[in-house]
Parts: sequence; C-alpha cells; structure tokens
Amino acid sequence: EVQLVESGGTLVQPGGSLRLSCAASGFTFSGHWMHWVRQAPGEGLVWISLIHPDGSATAYADSVKGRFSVSRDNAKNTLYLQVNDLRAEDTAVYYCARDTSGFTNDYWGQGTLVTVSS
Amino acid sequence: QSALTQPRSVSGSPGQSVTISCTGTSSDVGGYYYVSWYQQHPGKAPKLMIYDVTKRPSGVPDRFSGSKSGSTASLTISGLHAEDEADYYCYSYAGSFTYVFGTGTKVTVL
Repeated sequence: EVQLVESGGTLVQPGGSLRLSCAASGFTFSGHWMHWVRQAPGEGLVWISLIHPDGSATAYADSVKGRFSVSRDNAKNTLYLQVNDLRAEDTAVYYCARDTSGFTNDYWGQGTLVTVSS
Repeated sequence: QSALTQPRSVSGSPGQSVTISCTGTSSDVGGYYYVSWYQQHPGKAPKLMIYDVTKRPSGVPDRFSGSKSGSTASLTISGLHAEDEADYYCYSYAGSFTYVFGTGTKVTVL
C-alpha cells in the first residue's frame, strides 16, 4: 500500500526556518517525481515545488522561489522541503504528493501544518 | 503562475448534473493535454478524479467526466450523489516543470 507521511510542521516565528519531511513507503520511491502542495486555512490548493526522481532537477512556484528548497534521500525513501524566511502567508497545511510520471499526482499524504506567527 | 479560474460554487439536487469550468491560458490549460481534477472533502487530502483531461483512475465512478475546449477545461458530474458534496480543484501543467491549481469550486448537493 502506498503511503506518504509528512512531518515537521509546527509553530514558528516570522523569519524562521523549518525542514518538512515526507516518508514514503509501498512503492519504488526513486522512480517517481515528487511534489509539494500547500493549502492555507480555508483557502485553495497551491502547487509549490517538484523534484526529479534522482534529484537532478527541481522547480518552484514564484511565490516561494529563493526561500524554499526541495530535496530527497532515495536511500531513506524521504522527501524534504526546507522552508526559510517564513512569513505569515506561508501558514498552511503542506502536502507531499507522488507524481504518476504522467503529469498528475495520484497519492497524497495527510499533510503537516506550518503556522507562522509571533 | 496565476491560479486557474473556477466558479466559487455550484449546486444541484441529487440525480442532477453539474459542470465546473476551469479557465486558464495558452500557457497552461490551452497548451497541454495535462489537466487533472481533484475532489477534497473537509479536513482530507485531495483525491484524483480525472487526469489527462478525460481519463478516470480506477475506482472513480463513471458519473465523473472531463473535457477541454481551448483554454477551458470542464468537469461534469452526471447524477449527483450526496457524497459528491466537496471542493473540486482543476490542475494543469504549465510548462518548465511547473503546475498550477484552479481557485476551487464548492459543490453543494441540495
């Protein structure tokens, strides 16, 4: 069974940093592109980032470019999102999602909540 | 990377059909055949309902269908069920390894 479990979300002050993790199981993690998507409270889904199966290519939404960094450790079956210089508008549930290798995402984690507040 | 435009809400009685539109540009919806639709119930993760504009993943009821004309994609639910009440989001490839979601539509079953 495919499982994605995010962790690392917490309350952080403006300007702070966090590293979010997504532990994958039930599939060949190293064979899939992976995405991060976020959803602010009461708001819609926003695509944030993706990473190539071997980590050789990444892409970001303009809203987080330069502050967020995606990486992966295929030996640990884990996806990461380093989030820096956090702002109130970064408050959201952060989801990781598996790419089907066909321009869509089929499996999602349950999300981890990041709250940016002083 | 502007969000795709969806109606804020649509509604229908059980058994009726509803259609949700998703309007983008030639850089996203209009430029690729890679539009997906997600269903999201409150407090839950999104669920893939349609991909590649018209394809349904295994297990998704055939009352859900997708289409596209130019830069506007559509999701139709034919024969609403109570459990279809949820938020729905379109999602499109936007080139250069980037993607964009729609603004979301709340479907209410009256």
